[in-house]
Amino acid sequence: EVQLVESGGGLVKPGGSLRLSCAASGFTFSTYSMNWVRQAPGKGLEWVSFISFSSSQIYYADSLKGRFTISRDNAKNLLFLQMNSLTADDTAVYYCARVKGQLWSDLWGQGTLVTVSS
Amino acid sequence: DIQMTQSPSTLSASVGDRVTITCRASQSISSWLAWYQQKPGIAPKLLIYKASTLETGVPSRFSGSGSGTEFTLTISSLQPDDFATYYCQQYSSYSTFGQGTKVEMK
Repeated sequence: EVQLVESGGGLVKPGGSLRLSCAASGFTFSTYSMNWVRQAPGKGLEWVSFISFSSSQIYYADSLKGRFTISRDNAKNLLFLQMNSLTADDTAVYYCARVKGQLWSDLWGQGTLVTVSS
Repeated sequence: DIQMTQSPSTLSASVGDRVTITCRASQSISSWLAWYQQKPGIAPKLLIYKASTLETGVPSRFSGSGSGTEFTLTISSLQPDDFATYYCQQYSSYSTFGQGTKVEMK
C-alpha cells in the first residue's frame, strides 16, 4: 500500500526541541521530493518546508526563522523535521506530503500532533 | 511572499447546487495553483493542479480555471460527500495556502 506515516509528535515545553519522522512505503521514495505542512488547531494549512529527492534543494517558510531543519534518508525511506526553539505558535498537526511535479502534493500522511506548552 | 486570498470564507449550499470558490494571488503565479479538499480530522486530498488539471480519481463535477492572479474552483452539482473545507495553494514561489473556504449545508 502506498502510504506515509508520521511519528514523533507529542508534548514539549516552550524552548524545547522535537524531531518528527515520516516513513514512506509502497513507492520509490528516493525519486520523490517531499513537503512538510502544518495545521494549527482550528486553522488553515501552512507550508513548512520542501526537500528535493536528492536533498540538493531545500526550502523553508520565512516564518520559521531558521529553527527547523528538513532532511531525508533515502536508504531507509524516511523523511525528518528537526524542530528547535519551539513556541506555542508551533502547536499544530504536522503532515508529510509527497510532491508531484512542482510543489503540489498528491499523497499525505495522517499527521502527527505537536503541542508546545508548559 | 505571495499571499493567497480565498472567498468566501464560508459558503452555505444545498445538494445539487453549483458552487464556485475564488482564490486570488497577490502577484501573478501563472497557472501554478492547486486545490485541496479537507474534512475534519483527515489529511487534505488533492483535487486539481496546474490550475485546471483534475487529479486522477477525482469526480468530473470538480473543475478549476484561471491564470495569473485569479482562479476558481467549481463544483457543478454539489454532492453530500462534498461538504468540506477547500484550500488553494500557490507553488510559483515556494508555497502558500489560502485561508480556506468551508462549504456547509444550507
